[in-house]
Amino acid sequence: DGGITQSPKYLFRKEGQNVTLSCEQNLNHDAMYWYRQDPGQGLRLIYYSQIVNDFQKGDIAEGYSVSREKKESFPLTVTSAQKNPTAFYLCASTWDSGGASANTGELFFGEGSRLTVL
Amino acid sequence: GENVEQHPSTLSVQEGDSAVIKCTYSDSASNYFPWYKQELGKRPQLIIDIRSNVGEKKDQRIAVTLNKTAKHFSLHITETQPEDSAVYFCAAHPKGSQGNLIFGKGTKLSVKP
Repeated sequence: DGGITQSPKYLFRKEGQNVTLSCEQNLNHDAMYWYRQDPGQGLRLIYYSQIVNDFQKGDIAEGYSVSREKKESFPLTVTSAQKNPTAFYLCASTWDSGGASANTGELFFGEGSRLTVL
Repeated sequence: GENVEQHPSTLSVQEGDSAVIKCTYSDSASNYFPWYKQELGKRPQLIIDIRSNVGEKKDQRIAVTLNKTAKHFSLHITETQPEDSAVYFCAAHPKGSQGNLIFGKGTKLSVKP
C-alpha cells in the first residue's frame, strides 16, 4: 500500500531538547517537503529536497535541520534553537519537483506529527 | 516572490447552500492552482486543481475558476453537505519554483444541517 508515513503522531518535548520527526514514502517521489501548520497561518515551508543528499531552506528554516540520505526518507530535527516549536508538522512528497512542465503534480501529505513543548 | 491571499478565513453556510472561497496571487507567471481540503486532525488532500491554460474546471459539486488577468481563482461548492465542513487551502505554483507551492492561510467552512 503506497503512501507517506510520519511518526510519531504525537510528541512531547522539554525545553532545550532536540527531537526528530520521521517521514518515509514508498511512492518513489523525488521531492519531499516539511511544512509547519499553526492555527490561522496556513502551511509554511520549512525545508525541501529534490534529490538525495541535497536540500534547501524554505521560508522558516531557522531552528530546524534535515537530511536526505535515502530517496524514501526525509527526517526533520527540531532543535533547541527553535523558539516556538509547538505546532503541527506535515511532511509531503511529489514526483514533479521542477515545476516548469505542464505536469506539475499533486502534493501527497503524511498524517502529520503534533509536537508540544512542555 | 509569490504571495497568496485567501478569503474569507471562516465561512458558515446552511446545508444545501453554495459556498465560495476566493484567492488572489501576485506572480503572473504562476501556472498551477490546487485546492486542498483538510478535515479536523487529518492530512490535507487535493480536491481539485486548475492549470493556467484553463478558465474553469468542474468535478461534481466542486468547481474552480481562474481569472489570469485579475490574478484570482475561486473554489465553488454547490449543494453543500455537513461532510464538506473542513479547512480549505488554495495554493499557487510559481513557474520554475522547483515545485514549491505557496499556500493561502485557509478557510474554515462550516456547513450547518
